[in-house]
Amino acid sequence: GQQLNQSPQSMFIQEGEDVSMNCTSSSIFNTWLWYKQDPGEGPVLLIALYKAGELTSNGRLTAQFGITRKDSFLNISASIPSDVGIYFCAGLYNNNDMRFGAGTRLTVKP
Amino acid sequence: NAGVTQTPKFRILKIGQSMTLQCTQDMNHNYMYWYRQDPGMGLKLIYYSVGAGITDKGEVPNGYNVSRSTTEDFPLRLELAAPSQTSVYFCASSKTGMNQPQHFGDGTRLSIL
Repeated sequence: GQQLNQSPQSMFIQEGEDVSMNCTSSSIFNTWLWYKQDPGEGPVLLIALYKAGELTSNGRLTAQFGITRKDSFLNISASIPSDVGIYFCAGLYNNNDMRFGAGTRLTVKP
Repeated sequence: NAGVTQTPKFRILKIGQSMTLQCTQDMNHNYMYWYRQDPGMGLKLIYYSVGAGITDKGEVPNGYNVSRSTTEDFPLRLELAAPSQTSVYFCASSKTGMNQPQHFGDGTRLSIL
């Protein structure tokens, strides 16, 4: 149902490489949000998406709201060491039900 | 601005004890939320509030209670702590709706032994 499947679970990449992660569901979502969480801290918003097909960038980050409204992806270009952390997708279902993916743990090797 | 402030940062409880996790925000946001995050998992919504005096259940409300007497404060209460409630708890707020970006506190790490 409203479960969000986020993949991959973890990624180990070299500095300078591009990164892609996504969230999928069998349900339709009205809003997609992407957050980053550093150890010992709360998540911080990276990008918010409100319309099907919407493509939004924030510096080296780009995210898209899937046309079917059942998925979203996040790309990070030219990764740097400070990109390390856990990235979460979140989807709003029925305007009052916020669901989070299980996260993608990113490790960047200098 | 302090944003969203949670206290305490860490707590160990014995089974059956009760405690209140405090959350306050200084951004005049209408919406406030409580989530729990278990190891290797995403956040799960426990309760939320759309304004003072109004609270609603989220995905995992059992074993918890909340109140919202002011715009700023949204405490979460555990009445009879159980080992399954060992988790990291995050409070968050957003301005006017659940579809708006949420601002999170730094979390309360709770262990129940």
